[in-house]
Amino acid sequence: AQSVAQPEDQVNVAEGNPLTVKCTYSVSGNPYLFWYVQYPNRGLQFLLKYITGDNLVKGSYGFEAEFNKSQTSFHLKKPSALVSDSALYFCAVRFNTNAGKSTFGDGTTLTVKP
Amino acid sequence: NAGVTQTPKFRVLKTGQSMTLLCAQDMNHEYMYWYRQDPGMGLRLIHYSVGEGTTAKGEVPDGYNVSRLKKQNFLLGLESAAPSQTSVYFCASSYNGGPNTEAFFGQGTRLTVV
Repeated sequence: AQSVAQPEDQVNVAEGNPLTVKCTYSVSGNPYLFWYVQYPNRGLQFLLKYITGDNLVKGSYGFEAEFNKSQTSFHLKKPSALVSDSALYFCAVRFNTNAGKSTFGDGTTLTVKP
Repeated sequence: NAGVTQTPKFRVLKTGQSMTLLCAQDMNHEYMYWYRQDPGMGLRLIHYSVGEGTTAKGEVPDGYNVSRLKKQNFLLGLESAAPSQTSVYFCASSYNGGPNTEAFFGQGTRLTVV
C-alpha cells in the first residue's frame, strides 16, 4: 500500500529563519509526491510536485522540496519563513494506477512567529 | 477564475435529515473527488468520478451517495445524517487521472450534525 507520513504535528519557527516540514513516503514503483497548503477556512492549494528528474523541486511562494530516494523523504523547505506562511501543510502521494487517487498525510501545522 | 466552487459553505443538520452538497468546476476536468477532513486524520476519500455519468467508492463511502450527471458538477448526498458525519467536506478535481496531475480544491463545506 502506498502511504505518506508527516512525523510532526506542529512546527514552530521564527520569521526569517529557514523552515522544514517533513514527509516520508512508502510506495511501490516510482513515487509521485505533492505538497499542498491549507490556509484557515480555505481549501487546499497546490504548492509543488515531484515526478522525476531533479531532486530539488521549486514551487509557489518561494517553497521548495527535496526528494531523497535513499531516505524515502520529500521534505518541504523555505530559506526564510514569513508570518504569512503559517498554515496547515499536507504531503500527498498520487497512485500510478487508475483514477489518480491520492493519499494524504495527516498534516503539519506551521506557525511562524514574528 | 472560479475554479472549484462548493455550496453551501456551512450547514447544521439534525440527525436523520438529508442534504446534498454541490460541487461545480469550470476547468473542464474529467476527474472529481469528495473528501472529508477530520482533525488529525488528514483527508479521506469518500467517492470519486472519472468522468460524466461515472462514480466509484473511495475509502469511507458508507452513509454517502454521489452523482455526476454533468461533467462540471459532482453532488454528494447524505440520506440520513448522523453525528459521525460532522466534518469539513472538500471537493476536488483534476484534469485527468495521471499520477503527475495535481488536484484543485474547493473552499470546503463545514457540516455539523446535531
